[in-house]
Amino acid sequence: GAVVSQHPSRVICKSGTSVKIECRSLDFQATTMFWYRQFPKKSLMLMATSNEGSKATYEQGVEKDKFLINHASLTLSTLTVTSAHPEDSSFYICSARTDLDSPLHFGNGTRLTVT
Amino acid sequence: QKEVEQNSGPLSVPEGAIASLNCTYSDRGSQSFFWYRQYSGKSPELIMSIYSNGDKEDGRFTAQLNKASQYVSLLIRDSQPSDSATYLCAVRKGGGADGLTFGKGTHLIIQP
Repeated sequence: GAVVSQHPSRVICKSGTSVKIECRSLDFQATTMFWYRQFPKKSLMLMATSNEGSKATYEQGVEKDKFLINHASLTLSTLTVTSAHPEDSSFYICSARTDLDSPLHFGNGTRLTVT
Repeated sequence: QKEVEQNSGPLSVPEGAIASLNCTYSDRGSQSFFWYRQYSGKSPELIMSIYSNGDKEDGRFTAQLNKASQYVSLLIRDSQPSDSATYLCAVRKGGGADGLTFGKGTHLIIQP
């Protein structure tokens, strides 16, 4: 089946620093990837849709200048949390699909803790 | 009205029984429906997908879709303790590049 790899799995950083999270589709090409965020005991919330070769589409309320998304190739999308603050601490999960009608396959997620 | 609604539970079911998980959605234009299982601290994993009205069976799992009632359910037969997890209902509104909208999830506990 489709495999999505996400790295790092866990990161602790100081307030004010930036953190980059990578998401790779290992055995398929993904023109579109999706970034979700999940707070404890809450549902997954779509942050943005990452499109290869073009700008990402952000959901309402998500700051595009704070959460930088780059989808430079058909197998790699990155999410950079800039000037992280403790309220950005969350579980960030990327996902991709093999074609338009297929389910989303999720990476293993990145647990971000900002101290 | 929330877009995808689930009872958060916890839903407690004895081992070997049938667990029934329900989900309703608000957008009549929704076309694709998915059930994911999520263990604590882990990312979701796909259990079932269903696209047309009726039942779809895969092993111990059966997904049921009723578009007229805007209702989708998941049945788990012969429940096992390893089935204890949070089950997320997800809906895709239409074709194209849409992401999925998730419900808050139902916490299922299978009692040995």
